[in-house]
Amino acid sequence: KNEVEQSPQNLTAQEGEFITINCSYSVGISALHWLQQHPGGGIVSLFMLSSGKKKHGRLIATINIQEKHSSLHITASHPRDSAVYICAVRSPGMNAGGTSYGKLTFGQGTILTVHP
Amino acid sequence: NAGVTQTPKFQVLKTGQSMTLQCAQDMNHEYMSWYRQDPGMGLRLIHYSVGAGITDQGEVPNGYNVSRSTTEDFPLRLLSAAPSQTSVYFCASSYSPWESGRAYEQYFGPGTRLTVT
Repeated sequence: KNEVEQSPQNLTAQEGEFITINCSYSVGISALHWLQQHPGGGIVSLFMLSSGKKKHGRLIATINIQEKHSSLHITASHPRDSAVYICAVRSPGMNAGGTSYGKLTFGQGTILTVHP
Repeated sequence: NAGVTQTPKFQVLKTGQSMTLQCAQDMNHEYMSWYRQDPGMGLRLIHYSVGAGITDQGEVPNGYNVSRSTTEDFPLRLLSAAPSQTSVYFCASSYSPWESGRAYEQYFGPGTRLTVT
């Protein structure tokens, strides 16, 4: 079983629909990242959160640390939202020469297609 | 700021050839890392560095070498290319991977698509 599981793997929506992508993880984390990867490959960080909820425009990310679960919501979806959405969790890390660092573990991604 | 830059964008190698993928960032980030992305696998960590002169192995380090002589640059070397190394490679950086309970945003380069025949 992967440490980070995303669902669904593929999602098709009509423009204007409310979209939810889920991420479950099985390890202790210091933070969770939501990333967006457009066709053509570039990866952009959307959110980084360790508790509660964050909102940026039409995107909302929530996390429940106790349940080890996060969701990414897109309101009023648009064709330009079509992309792969990736969840990644950062481990708590450990000290090495005075510097702490945490490894990122990625989910497999959710392919979102929004039709006009 | 240019952010994280990678060169080349595309590369085709024959089995056994060696090459270096370049990565540079101009944000004075301490933490840099290399990932490979394969279909159905998600991004996997190859090597990472927490500062100049300090590198360590990630999840899939075999066949790759790294060095970090400056804060800005983190090249990835393929010693003897194999078809299994056909992948898309991403370099990433962040100000500090983890410090005093804080985590920092990760910035990704545009990727290098490598094909080994």
